[in-house]
Amino acid sequence: DAGITQSPRYKITETGRQVTLMCHQTWSHSYMFWYRQDLGHGLRLIYYSAAADITDKGEVPDGYVVSRSKTENFPLTLESATRSQTSVYFCASKAGYKETQYFGPGTRLLVL
Amino acid sequence: GENVEQHPSTLSVQEGDSAVIKCTYSDSASNYFPWYKQELGKRPQLIIDIRSNVGEKKDQRIAVTLNKTAKHFSLHITETQPEDSAVYFCAAGSNAGGTSYGKLTFGQGTILTVHP
Repeated sequence: DAGITQSPRYKITETGRQVTLMCHQTWSHSYMFWYRQDLGHGLRLIYYSAAADITDKGEVPDGYVVSRSKTENFPLTLESATRSQTSVYFCASKAGYKETQYFGPGTRLLVL
Repeated sequence: GENVEQHPSTLSVQEGDSAVIKCTYSDSASNYFPWYKQELGKRPQLIIDIRSNVGEKKDQRIAVTLNKTAKHFSLHITETQPEDSAVYFCAAGSNAGGTSYGKLTFGQGTILTVHP
C-alpha cells in the first residue's frame, strides 16, 4: 500500500479555482485510475489510463482533466472547481497482467 | 455500460452471527468480481475476489459465490467480529483486451456494523 501515494491529503478551495490532485505509484503499474467517492454512490470512475500518454473517460469525467506523461504519475485537474466536486478522491493502480487494483490513501476536497 | 446494484445499504448483526451482502450486475461480459473493505477514513482494500470460471471461493471466514446465469454474486462473512465493522463494496469488471482492461464498476456500498 505504501507504493501509491496521493497529495494533498486535504484541500479546501473556492468555486472557480483550478485544483490539481497528484497520484504517484512506485510499482511501475501500467494502469492507473481516478475515482470519486460520495455517500450513496460508492466509487465512481472519473478517468483511467492504460499506459503513459493513453487515457480514457470513465463514468463521470465532466469538469476533470488528466494527463500521464510518466508511468508513475497520474495527476487529476479540476479546471474550474464547483461545489458538486466536493468529494473524496481515490487514485488506484494495477499491473497490466493482474486484475487487482490498489488504492491510494485518498484526498478530501472541499469546494466552498 | 456496466451497472452494479448492491444490497442492503446497511446491515447490523450481533457478534458471532453471519452477514450476507448481495450484488447484481448487468453486463454479461463482466468476468471479474472483487470485494473491497473500507474502514472509516481509510482506503478501500481488497478482501476477496472471484472470476467467472469459479462458482465459489473461500478465505477463512469470508466466502464469495457467483451465479453467472442470474448475474449476481454475494459476500458471506461467518462468525462476525467487531473488527469486521466497515463499508463493503462489490465491483464488476472485465479482463477483455484493449484499454478497457481492468476497469471496475462499483456497487453503492454496505455499511456493516457488528455489535459486541
